[in-house]
Amino acid sequence: KNQVEQSPQSLIILEGKNCTLQCNYTVSPFSNLRWYKQDTGRGPVSLTIMTFSENTKSNGRYTATLDADTKQSSLHITASQLSDSASYICVPGGAGNMLTFGGGTRLMVKP
Amino acid sequence: GEEVAQTPKHLVRGEGQKAKLYCAPIKGHSYVFWYQQVLKNEFKFLISFQNENVFDETGMPKERFSAKCLPNSPCSLEIQATKLEDSAVYFCASSPTGLAGTADTQYFGPGTRLTVL
Repeated sequence: KNQVEQSPQSLIILEGKNCTLQCNYTVSPFSNLRWYKQDTGRGPVSLTIMTFSENTKSNGRYTATLDADTKQSSLHITASQLSDSASYICVPGGAGNMLTFGGGTRLMVKP
Repeated sequence: GEEVAQTPKHLVRGEGQKAKLYCAPIKGHSYVFWYQQVLKNEFKFLISFQNENVFDETGMPKERFSAKCLPNSPCSLEIQATKLEDSAVYFCASSPTGLAGTADTQYFGPGTRLTVL
């Protein structure tokens, strides 16, 4: 059964600080790994997509890493801003159009 | 349009009533997906379409759920005889291609919050 575990479940940091969110997955077959940001009451927005052969991808202050051998991914947020407060969802993609969604990490950035 | 549009934003139904949700995908996108999000960000895939054809319906509770994507009309997701456990946010997403293996982005709409009382 495809599974995605994210940690921590929730995180509070001060504005300007960095943080790293973790994702472990067991999805087979595996083809790509996506990170989405979901603001409260809104739909998820794509941050990064990495294929199985990519190790890292950046989007502004967001940097995702992928280790397909150990089935782990991380999302690093640099110099956090209040607007980074949201849920961050790890989504491995497999065969066909099958995406498996993690439970998300709820991040709160405080002034 | 450049965004996935979903209507209504909120929908309240008594148990046993019918609920119908609508989704207008981004113009030019051939694939539409429906997801159900319940507590704690758990997204459940329901069904996907390639244009007006069902592409994958492995997540659909077929007894009460049905969906359509007809030409020149918004896509729809209909729940007959709603149950309390159908209370969730239903998201529609669209993508130019439907294959997760191509690392194609799925663009999500704002969701419809269904509350069954």
